[in-house]
Amino acid sequence: TQLLEQSPQFLSIQEGENLTVYCNSSSVFSSLQWYRQEPGEGPVLLVTVVTGGEVKKLKRLTFQFGDARKDSSLHITAAQPGDTGLYLCAGNSGGSNYKLTFGKGTLLTVNP
Amino acid sequence: ETGVTQSPTHLIKTRGQQVTLRCSSQSGHNTVSWYQQALGQGPQFIFQYYREEENGRGNFPPRFSGLQFPNYSSELNVNALELDDSALYLCASSLEPYRGVNYGYTFGSGTRLTVV
Repeated sequence: TQLLEQSPQFLSIQEGENLTVYCNSSSVFSSLQWYRQEPGEGPVLLVTVVTGGEVKKLKRLTFQFGDARKDSSLHITAAQPGDTGLYLCAGNSGGSNYKLTFGKGTLLTVNP
Repeated sequence: ETGVTQSPTHLIKTRGQQVTLRCSSQSGHNTVSWYQQALGQGPQFIFQYYREEENGRGNFPPRFSGLQFPNYSSELNVNALELDDSALYLCASSLEPYRGVNYGYTFGSGTRLTVV
């Protein structure tokens, strides 16, 4: 069974601070995705990383896929209250159905 | 382009009853997946439909079943509801994978099912 462990589970910071969220697994994934989910809504895709060692930047968000494709991190610079939400990592192992295996998420609160 | 639409948004059912949830996929997407998200947890894969056939199933009992229609919309049916079935049910649509990689799913806002 493939598992994705996310840490920390909860994070509360002040506006302007930097933060990093981690996603780790003992399994190799063909690709990994990060989503953000707000209360009462479905997850919204932020990024897909495919190549080991890959780094992608999306404005103040930086995503990294580990060299062995077993782990990933999300770094947010100068967090804003609008960044508040549940951040989910999801691994895709390929195969015929491409199901996503999700972590439990990191609940981020950015206080003004 | 329209996103993924799910109905109803909220539903309350009694233990033992049956429920049908509906999903309209994003325009152009031919693959639909269903996920169950319990409170405080990440979504869990139920099953996926591609070209009207089940294309993979997670660890859910047979009382969870589904359909995909020619227009790529989909239904999730749950029989003999149990209290533990209370959750947010998410539908996600996508294009076929490119070079073996699925580049992302578009999720609906979900149906909040409460079983009492």
